[in-house]
Amino acid sequence: DAKTTQPPSMDCAEGRAANLPCNHSTISGNEYVYWYRQIHSQGPQYIIHGLKNNETNEMASLIITEDRKSSTLILPHATLRDTAVYYCIVFNAGNNRKLIWGLGTSLAVNP
Amino acid sequence: GAGVSQTPSNKVTEKGKYVELRCDPISGHTALYWYRQSLGQGPEFLIYFQGTGAADDSGLPNDRFFAVRPEGSVSTLKIQRTERGDSAVYLCASSLRSGSTGEQFFGPGTRLTVL
Repeated sequence: DAKTTQPPSMDCAEGRAANLPCNHSTISGNEYVYWYRQIHSQGPQYIIHGLKNNETNEMASLIITEDRKSSTLILPHATLRDTAVYYCIVFNAGNNRKLIWGLGTSLAVNP
Repeated sequence: GAGVSQTPSNKVTEKGKYVELRCDPISGHTALYWYRQSLGQGPEFLIYFQGTGAADDSGLPNDRFFAVRPEGSVSTLKIQRTERGDSAVYLCASSLRSGSTGEQFFGPGTRLTVL
């Protein structure tokens, strides 16, 4: 399984953009990059996913490098409620349909 | 609509006892997953159901753990002879498109404490 590497923690000021990096240098051509977050004492929540192209939805934007070896999740205007652990996951829908979770990045949004 | 629900929200039991944890997935979701999460760690995959059958149970740690989904909807995770190391949050998730997507909808989890 492709593995991901994320910084253990980050801080962001409220109202500013939060940019969360993820390295996935061993990703295969048919594997997607998924992002989830987990607010304290809650179940994980899906944010966004992508294969090659950059993606945007109402929650965030996902920027994937051209070589697909890394990506960045962008929360454009972070709020206190965005404080959570953010997980970057490489998903293979073919052989292995389970999500393999690392330790994620603990994002603290400060007032 | 209703999300994934899990009961009980908290379960405290004594070492050696048997416990059952229940998961009600989102209606119409054919794929169902169980994970467990220890403090400070990411969720750890246990088992994945496609319909009524277990498509992948490679994450179950040993034969004390068993899960069923007899009618392709509600699932029960069963743990026999509980040990203190089984203490964790047990998460259930469901997915719409037969497991071909990584977009899973999670319940709030059941916090299991084995004394």
